[in-house]
This record gives sequence, structure tokens and C-alpha cells, in this order.
Amino acid sequence: EPEVTQTPSHQVTQMGQEVILRCVPISNHLYFYWYRQILGQKVEFLVSFYNNEISEKSEIFDDQFSVERPDGSNFTLKIRSTKLEDSAMYFCASEEGGTNYEQYFGPGTRLTVT
Amino acid sequence: AQTVTQSQPEMSVQEAETVTLSCTYDTSESDYYLFWYKQPPSRQMILVIRQEAYKQQNATENRFSVNFQKAAKSFSLKISDSQLGDAAMYFCAYRRSNNDMRFGAGTRLTVKP
Repeated sequence: EPEVTQTPSHQVTQMGQEVILRCVPISNHLYFYWYRQILGQKVEFLVSFYNNEISEKSEIFDDQFSVERPDGSNFTLKIRSTKLEDSAMYFCASEEGGTNYEQYFGPGTRLTVT
Repeated sequence: AQTVTQSQPEMSVQEAETVTLSCTYDTSESDYYLFWYKQPPSRQMILVIRQEAYKQQNATENRFSVNFQKAAKSFSLKISDSQLGDAAMYFCAYRRSNNDMRFGAGTRLTVKP
């Protein structure tokens, strides 16, 4: 069964460094999402992406964040200058579109900022 | 704004028994979708069941079923014949079409052998 994959599974970085989290959505899916889950808290929406542009973003998704789909396969989330409070689990999700409305989540990347 | 409330931070159930997890939501929309996701210790988000708001019939997936009360904006999950593998965090989620998913705070389910 097709699945969303994410790399790396765990990323440790120092405060102020840039990180790129990578996702490979399911191949025929058209909508892509990033979510964040701080340890012990609920999953929060960051951004949605469709037709090579951001379609919606939350207040969390400030100028330090950016997304890209550079090659039609990968979907990346970049954090330019990480802060301690960026430590969280980051989930990528993709959706086929149409009338399904189901989002398929990747296994997540645990980001630890020290 | 759409909000999702799960009023039970923790629940426990005896193996083979039935447990119901509560979820309420707030929306002014008439067309939307509701989901229950399971998050085991691996932290993978796994879809358990979904419900379209326009459908009156409650969704069922094997041992999992929902009680969808649109007027009350309630969407509870019933797990029958609970198994040890059901132990996880359960998140209720709401979305409108082509919009992001809004999650509740989660309910931690413990299954006692």
C-alpha cells in the first residue's frame, strides 16, 4: 500500500541553524500538508500546499518557515533559524483530492533543537 | 473558528470490554468531515474512522464505530472488544473540504489485561 515517507526520523540541531525536513507524499496525491506536535500536546496545522503554492498557513508558520516541492516528488519544510521552541514532531500529510478528504500521514520527523 | 474538544484526557478499559471516547466540535459550516486518528507510542498518526457530515448513518470499521450527532456537534468513538493493541492516544479531528485538519487535545487510552 502506498505510504507517505519522511526523512530523517530524528534530527538534532543547534539553535540558530537551518534545518530541512523532507517528505515524499503518495505519488498521485495533489494536496500536501505540514503539521507540528510539541511533545504532550495536540497536533497543530502549519501549512497546506497545492498546485505549487501555499494555499493556507497558520499563525505558527511565520517567516522562518518555508515549503517547497522542488522536483515534483519531495515536499520539504525548511526552518531558517531554529529556536528551542521549534523542538517537536513534524508530520507531513498528503491527500488525493476529489471527494476522499482523507489525509495520509507520514511517520514524522522528531526535531530536537539544543 | 473551528475548535475540537476532547474532554477526557485519559480513559481506561478492560480488555474485551467496550469504551467510548468523547469529542465535540464547534462550527458554523454544514458540510465538513470528521475523523478519529490513533497515535501509538511510535507516534505515527493512523486513521481509524471517518464520517461525512452529510451522511446520517454512523460510520463503522470493524470494532470501531462512531455516534455522530450533528445537531449536538458531537462525534464519539466506540471501541468494542478492546484489545491491548488499542492502547494509544486518540485524536478527534475536523475539517472542511480542501482545508486543514483541526485536532482535539487527545485522549490517552489504556487497556488493562
